[in-house]
Amino acid sequence: NAGVMQNPRHLVRRRGQEARLRCSPMKGHSHVYWYRQLPEEGLKFMVYLQKENIIDESGMPKERFSAEFPKEGPSILRIQQVVRGDSAAYFCASSPRTQLNGELFFGEGSRLTVL
Amino acid sequence: GDSVTQMEGPVTLSEEAFLTINCTYTATGYPSLFWYVQYPGEGLQLLLKATKADDKGSNKGFEATYRKETTSFHLEKGSVQVSDSAVYFCALKGSGAGSYQLTFGKGTKLSVIP
Repeated sequence: NAGVMQNPRHLVRRRGQEARLRCSPMKGHSHVYWYRQLPEEGLKFMVYLQKENIIDESGMPKERFSAEFPKEGPSILRIQQVVRGDSAAYFCASSPRTQLNGELFFGEGSRLTVL
Repeated sequence: GDSVTQMEGPVTLSEEAFLTINCTYTATGYPSLFWYVQYPGEGLQLLLKATKADDKGSNKGFEATYRKETTSFHLEKGSVQVSDSAVYFCALKGSGAGSYQLTFGKGTKLSVIP
C-alpha cells in the first residue's frame, strides 16, 4: 500500500495518559500535515512539518501537544496528559512539496477516545 | 478568518437521483476551492478543484463551479450511484503568500440507496 499510513487506527486512553499517533507519508513525499476533526466539526489544521523542521504549528494547542518528523521514520503527533476534550479523529496528510495547488493525500485517520 | 459552510447531512437519495451539496465560503482575496471525498474506511481524497472565478471542476461525473459573486462552490451530480455513498468535504486554500492551510467545512454524509 503506497498511501499515507496512520497508526493506530483507534486508540483509547484514560485521562492523564499519553497518546502517540504515527504517520508515514506516501513514498516520495517529504511534507506532512496534521489535522484534527472534533465531533460534528470540520477538519482543523494543526501543524505542518518537513523532515526535521516544523514549518507552521499555529494550529497546535499551546500545551501538551507536540509533533515531529525525524530524518528517519514516521511523523509523530504526541499528546501528553490527555483530557476528554482531546477525543477526536486525527488525520495526517502528505504532499511531495508545499502543496501550492492544494492537493493533499490523506491517511484514514487515528481515532482517539479519552475515557 | 477564512471559513467554509456546507449543507448539513445526512443526505439520503435513491440511485439515479440528482445530487446537490451546497457550499459557501468566506475568504479574502482569491482562494482556491476543493471538494474532498471520504469513502467508508478510507482517507480523504481530492475529488475536484477550481482555482479561479468561473472555473468548473469535474471528476467522476461530479461538477462544481467557482462562483465568486455568490461565494459558492456547490457540488452536483446528475445521477448518483450506490458507490457514491461517502462523506463530502468542501474546502478552500487562501491566496496569501505562504498559504498552505486548507479550511474545511464540516462534511456532508451522502447515502445512496438502490
